[in-house]
Amino acid sequence: GESVGLHLPTLSVQEGDNSIINCAYSNSASDYFIWYKQESGKGPQFIIDIRSNMDKRQGQRVTVLLNKTVKHLSLQIAATQPGDSAVYFCAEITHRLNAGNNRKLIWGLGTSLAVNP
Amino acid sequence: GAVVSQHPSWVICKSGTSVKIECRSLDFQATTMFWYRQFPKQSLMLMATSNEGSKATYEQGVEKDKFLINHASLTLSTLTVTSAHPEDSSFYICSARKREGYEQYFGPGTRLTVT
Repeated sequence: GESVGLHLPTLSVQEGDNSIINCAYSNSASDYFIWYKQESGKGPQFIIDIRSNMDKRQGQRVTVLLNKTVKHLSLQIAATQPGDSAVYFCAEITHRLNAGNNRKLIWGLGTSLAVNP
Repeated sequence: GAVVSQHPSWVICKSGTSVKIECRSLDFQATTMFWYRQFPKQSLMLMATSNEGSKATYEQGVEKDKFLINHASLTLSTLTVTSAHPEDSSFYICSARKREGYEQYFGPGTRLTVT
């Protein structure tokens, strides 16, 4: 597979605080990035995306920042709530010679977010 | 809109048997479907990509004769784990993509336990 099969790092925050989850990507040719939230025993859920021609995009309580110079992506969650507890994955779409038009997602390691009441 | 379902949500089977997992796009046509497996506390690992009406493209290291994928219609793809072994126990997740655009819509996953 193309994703990294290592154990997840954990971020623990207090309810009401802001959370920042970071992700490093490897391919400078990637042109589209997505953050997913995965709750235990469920499939990934789309949170927010950003194209490579942007450096910031805001959603409801979430902001994604893209720094192409250092190939870094971050997800900021404002006023973190217990319902935000989940594993968060970043994903990039990269152009590969043998991918054709399939545009496969390349997944990051994931970060487990624990919100303390 | 863009809902993807999987069936079953969980299954237990005996070693040596085969099990089929269905992935359906409920309200859109999925020209491409992806199958992933995920071990506990790990990231998703892409197994194969299937386009409607054609053979699936498998990732390196994934046995195509063991993990049979069929994408016979624009709303249904199936993954059959043949001659299952305990090491095949995992969380299998499918996703579907429309003809246009990048976004993949994920199913809720299927927990497979092989005893």
